[in-house]
Amino acid sequence: AQKVTQAQTEISVVEKEDVTLDCVYETRDTTYYLFWYKQPPSGELVFLIRRNSFDEQNEISGRYSWNFQKSTSSFNFTITASQVVDSAVYFCALSEAYSGAGSYQLTFGKGTKLSVIP
Amino acid sequence: DAGVIQSPRHEVTEMGQEVTLRCKPISGHNSLFWYRQTMMRGLELLIYFNNNVPIDDSGMPEDRFSAKMPNASFSTLKIQPSEPRDSAVYFCASGDRAEKLFFGSGTQLSVL
Repeated sequence: AQKVTQAQTEISVVEKEDVTLDCVYETRDTTYYLFWYKQPPSGELVFLIRRNSFDEQNEISGRYSWNFQKSTSSFNFTITASQVVDSAVYFCALSEAYSGAGSYQLTFGKGTKLSVIP
Repeated sequence: DAGVIQSPRHEVTEMGQEVTLRCKPISGHNSLFWYRQTMMRGLELLIYFNNNVPIDDSGMPEDRFSAKMPNASFSTLKIQPSEPRDSAVYFCASGDRAEKLFFGSGTQLSVL
């Protein structure tokens, strides 16, 4: 069975601080995908990134960066120079590889609530 | 691109009443998912469809829950009879072989 653990329930940082959100996953699949979604106070779920299990390169997108380490089954997310607009709940998710039977069936972690204080 | 459209945005009903949530996926997407979000359990997959056919409904909590997808552009999630513990935000998402699922804005359901 697949499982995603986000041990940090809530984090508060002061604006301009860097913050890392942890994600640890469990799966028996050798091929899988990892995702991060953002849920701002308005409630919608916004896609941030998808990584496949064969690609362990770190990725940077503006102030966001992701560190995928297969050896520790972790897919951590760092926000550099945080801003108030980054305040949201962030979800890490896992899916098995697309099998042709359907699209990605996501298993979500419980989420980490990030509060950025001005 | 209108995105995934869910209605209603908010629903308040009394225990025992039937509730129907609606979803219009993004045109061209062949998979549709219903998720439920609660504080206690987080985001749970209830059911998903591929090409309008239910593939996995193991997440549907009870027989009181049912979902249909009569065509590629419409799906419903029905709860009959509703109970207070069904109060949650229900999300619909659609996807294809692309890189991500697109989520609707959700339906906030309150059962009194």
